[in-house]
Amino acid sequence: GAGVSQSPSNKVTEKGKDVELRCDPISGHTALYWYRQRLGQGLEFLIYFQGNSAPDKSGLPSDRFSAERTGESVSTLTIQRTQQEDSAVYLCASSLERLAGVREQYFGPGTRLTVT
Amino acid sequence: AQKVTQAQTEISVVEKEDVTLDCVYETRDTTYYLFWYKQPPSGELVFLIRRNSFDEQNEISGRYSWNFQKSTSSFNFTITASQVVDSAVYFCALSETPGGGADGLTFGKGTHLIIQP
Repeated sequence: GAGVSQSPSNKVTEKGKDVELRCDPISGHTALYWYRQRLGQGLEFLIYFQGNSAPDKSGLPSDRFSAERTGESVSTLTIQRTQQEDSAVYLCASSLERLAGVREQYFGPGTRLTVT
Repeated sequence: AQKVTQAQTEISVVEKEDVTLDCVYETRDTTYYLFWYKQPPSGELVFLIRRNSFDEQNEISGRYSWNFQKSTSSFNFTITASQVVDSAVYFCALSETPGGGADGLTFGKGTHLIIQP
């Protein structure tokens, strides 16, 4: 079946502009995650959705970052007034919530954001 | 707070050699979950394995094996008879909830493995 997809795959934007990144999780996966990967670094957790709600937004780097999810499917990560330090690959993952047992996260290919 | 340390930034070996990637973790929870992911040059993370803290059995899958030792808080990954296709960045990750939950996964910085022909 189809995996996690993300768009755009690459985005170059000027400092100060807003950008919107999209994630389409695997169909039926109720949990969705956003991570940021700076060059040569590990993944930094940003936010988690269970269904359409995000119980904790404290992982978002600043108030310029926001995320939403609709219809328990697609999610968008919006960065307002982009800064050069926002340049990174933004990865989305989804997992199937079960009552018990460990659920692995399946990752999309990421969106490479470059702020000039 | 939880933390994952992958001290080896880059490892380079010649094809067919065995190689071990180290992972040391810190957590205050008695129940936790450990993962390994592979990130090939294409960039997409590929899930390799998960391990529950209450299951210390080592696991072997083909040329891959994992050694989980709670006593040393380590979850090391060994590739036997390495191949060029194994070249990738490998990440170790930790979660205190089964799938990551509201805290997501805590990742190490990754080990870049280079297999030379």
